Amino acid sequence: DIQMTQSPSTLSASVGDRVTITCRASQSISGRLAWYQQKPGKAPKLLIYEASNLESGVPSRFSGSGSGTEFTLTITSLQPDDFATYYCQQYNSLWTFGQGTKVEIK
Amino acid sequence: EVQLVESGGDLVQPGGSLRLSCSASGFTFNTYEINWVRQAPGKGLEWVSYVNTAGSGTYYADSVKGRFTVSRDNAKNSLYLQMNSLRAEDTAVYFCARVGNWGSQVNDYWGQGTLVTVSS
Repeated sequence: DIQMTQSPSTLSASVGDRVTITCRASQSISGRLAWYQQKPGKAPKLLIYEASNLESGVPSRFSGSGSGTEFTLTITSLQPDDFATYYCQQYNSLWTFGQGTKVEIK
Repeated sequence: EVQLVESGGDLVQPGGSLRLSCSASGFTFNTYEINWVRQAPGKGLEWVSYVNTAGSGTYYADSVKGRFTVSRDNAKNSLYLQMNSLRAEDTAVYFCARVGNWGSQVNDYWGQGTLVTVSS
């Protein structure tokens, strides 16, 4: 089974900050990685697929990069609506989620 | 508009059974694979099961293998998750999520979830 490890678990930031979240896979997953945003009581929302492709309708301040085993999600100029929990997900071999990163207000 | 609506969540005793349903609309259901994903209270997301378009191919997480069975009825645009021998650790919100059929097997649409509580 492929394990996904996100860091940090919690991130405190201010509006306007640049934020980076890292996701590491226990083995190579090529570029088959997605990022989701989840707010309390809501379903996850797809942000990025194939490591760096922005889902339709997602603001351009979100970007993803990486391949193989190391990936990052970057939010440039954090907005009030971005305070949420973010999950990475590999879909190279079945599906596995990272443990999540909560982005909270500093 | 793509919609997935889960139902069937309830309070059930350990060892009991429950069947969840997921009703789909707004897309051609029989051309999409579907996942079940769950989230225990205050915890992260866990992939639970997968079913292919015909319902003939399924996969399960080790944590539910042998206890849960996923099925679908394409004529009714519906997906089901039969959960047997339920344990306290199965307590979670269960989401059905569409698997993209455009090359990336991401979950592009999700239902709102249904809560299953396993407790005596």
